[in-house]
Amino acid sequence: SYELTQPSSVSVSPGQTARITCSGDLLTKKYARWFQQKPGQAPVLVIYKDSERPSGIPERFSGSSSGTTVTLTISGAQVEDEADYYCYSAADNNRVFGGGTKLTVL
Amino acid sequence: QVTLRESGPALVKPTQTLTLTCTFSGFSLSTRGMCVSWIRQPPGKALEWLALIDWEDDKSYSTSLKTRLTISKDTSKNQVVLTMTNMDPVDTATYYCARDYYDSSGYRMDVWGQGTTVTVSS
Repeated sequence: SYELTQPSSVSVSPGQTARITCSGDLLTKKYARWFQQKPGQAPVLVIYKDSERPSGIPERFSGSSSGTTVTLTISGAQVEDEADYYCYSAADNNRVFGGGTKLTVL
Repeated sequence: QVTLRESGPALVKPTQTLTLTCTFSGFSLSTRGMCVSWIRQPPGKALEWLALIDWEDDKSYSTSLKTRLTISKDTSKNQVVLTMTNMDPVDTATYYCARDYYDSSGYRMDVWGQGTTVTVSS
């Protein structure tokens, strides 16, 4: 079965750039998506097709891909960006989430 | 405006079958590219994808839970139903449904319901 590996936590100060990685062999063949989840809320799609941003998502959110690793970058992270972030991809008829990364902005 | 809402029992006993309903609006599951996925999240843990049904009534299931899951749709009612058999306390989680929109950019779960919490306990 496929696995996606994320760091458990990332911490930055407001205004700094936050980078969250997601690694897995699946990512060489399939697109990644990224979801943001704040406490008590449903996840929100922030990146799809590795680097596309849905409408309404701030431009400071971007995605990139290289080999078996995809990266979510938040340029100039703000306090309101503090949340859990999950990468996600699909292969064959199965889909997998990464274990999630808690982003702290303070 | 696309919305989804999950409904079902808050409490089930071990070995029972869980039935959850996702009622949606703002799109039709008979339209090409439209799908609905179910995802769950145990307390304090990561998201886990469970199942998907698409506009052609094709279904996909989590490999690890495939034998326990059934997903179906009622297009006329704008509903998707997920059943999970032989419930266990480890299945305690918040269960979400999401529109899983498919186009040339692939699948993406672009709109989620608020989730429904299910506790498995005797």
